[in-house]
Amino acid sequence: QKEVEQNSGPLSVPEGAIASLNCTYSDRVSQSFFWYRQYSGKSPELIMSIYSNGDKEDGRFTAQLNKASQYVSLLIRDSQPSDSATYLCAVLDYGGSQGNLIFGKGTKLSVKP
Amino acid sequence: SQTIHQWPATLVQPVGSPLSLECTVEGTSNPNLYWYRQAAGRGLQLLFYSVGIGQISSEVPQNLSASRPQDRQFILSSKKLLLSDSGFYLCAWSLRGAEKLFFGSGTQLSVL
Repeated sequence: QKEVEQNSGPLSVPEGAIASLNCTYSDRVSQSFFWYRQYSGKSPELIMSIYSNGDKEDGRFTAQLNKASQYVSLLIRDSQPSDSATYLCAVLDYGGSQGNLIFGKGTKLSVKP
Repeated sequence: SQTIHQWPATLVQPVGSPLSLECTVEGTSNPNLYWYRQAAGRGLQLLFYSVGIGQISSEVPQNLSASRPQDRQFILSSKKLLLSDSGFYLCAWSLRGAEKLFFGSGTQLSVL
C-alpha cells in the first residue's frame, strides 16, 4: 500500500515567521510531487509542483525534494494569517493504468497575528 | 479558461436513500475526471476516475457508482446510502495524466 505521511498538526507560527511543512512517501520510484492548500470547507487548490531534487521557489513558497530520503517539504516565508489552512502533500502513483495522485491527510497551519 | 461546476454544495440524506451528485467541466475537451471523498480526519480518497465517455475505473469497492454519459459530465450515484458515506465529495479534472488536478467546490454530504 503506497502511502504519503504528514504530521497532522496543528502547526502554529507567528505572523512573519517561516512555516515548514513536511511530507514523506513510501514509493521509491515516485517522480512527481505536489502541494495543495485547502481552506476550511473549501476544495484543495494546487500551489506548487516539484519533480527534481533540490529547491523550487515561487514567491513566498519554496518546495524542497529529496528523493533519496523520500522526503518533500514546503516552506512558507513571511507567513500571513491568510496562509492559515490545511496543506496537502500529493504524490503521483503510476501503479494503475494511468497515474493517480495519492494524498496525505494534510497538515493544519495556523498563522497567529 | 476551464471551469468545473459541482452541485449541490450541501446535502442531508437519510440512510437508505439514493444519491446523485453531478459535475460538469467547461472549456476543455476529453478531460480526465475524478471523484474523491474526504471524510473527517482522513485524507482525500480516490473513488472513481474516467478517461473517456463510458470508461469508469473504481478504486475502492463500495455502494457507490459513477457514470460519464457525456465528455464533460461525471455523475456519482448510490442506490442506498450508508452512514459511512458521509463526507466531503470532490469532483476534479485534469488533462492527460493526473499530474495537475483542478477541483470543484465540493459537496458536503451528511447521511443521518
